[in-house]
Amino acid sequence: DIVMTQTPLSSPVTLGQPASISCRSSQSLIHSDGNTYLSWLHQRPGQPPRPLIYKISNRFSGVPDRFSGSGAGTDFTLTISRVEAEDVGVYYCVQATEFPRTFGQGTKVEIK
Amino acid sequence: EVQLLESGGGLIQPGGSLRLSCAASGFSFSSYAMSWVRQVPGEGLEWVSGMNYNGGRIYYADSVKGRFTISRDNSKNTLYLQMDNLSAEDTAIYYCVKDYNAQVRSIPLDYWGQGTLVTISS
Repeated sequence: DIVMTQTPLSSPVTLGQPASISCRSSQSLIHSDGNTYLSWLHQRPGQPPRPLIYKISNRFSGVPDRFSGSGAGTDFTLTISRVEAEDVGVYYCVQATEFPRTFGQGTKVEIK
Repeated sequence: EVQLLESGGGLIQPGGSLRLSCAASGFSFSSYAMSWVRQVPGEGLEWVSGMNYNGGRIYYADSVKGRFTISRDNSKNTLYLQMDNLSAEDTAIYYCVKDYNAQVRSIPLDYWGQGTLVTISS
């Protein structure tokens, strides 16, 4: 199984400042169709996960452009350019290149 | 609009069985793989099981293999998860998730249901 490792696990940030989360996979996430199925999710308490980013760097509809994804191969990063209050919660990376799907441990973003 | 509506959760005693359902709408259900993902309240996400569009390929997490059975009825646009021999460790919110369509190279895991809570307790 592909192991997904996120760092940090907790990230206190100041409003208006940037934040970044790293995600490393134990093996390449390049699918046989040529795509890399690495996504990022955001979850607020009491809510289901909300997809933010797909295929490394593509934002889902309605996701603010302060969210960006980057990376390749086995190393990926989610960046929030200027953190807003509504961005608090837990962020997960997930690979869907192969079954079983696997998630990172989650990174809790909170306001200082 | 894509909708995934889970049902069937509840309180059950250890060793019992439960069947979850997920009613899908707003997309061509019979063309997509589907997955179940669970989450112990306050903890992380765990993928549980997945099935390709026609049920020909089925996958399970090791933690549920031999106890859980995923199935689908494409005529009813419904995904199921039969859970047997349940233990306290299976207590979680179970989410139904729209997965991959190989024909169109769709975006996997792009829609999630609201989840249904399964509690195993005596």
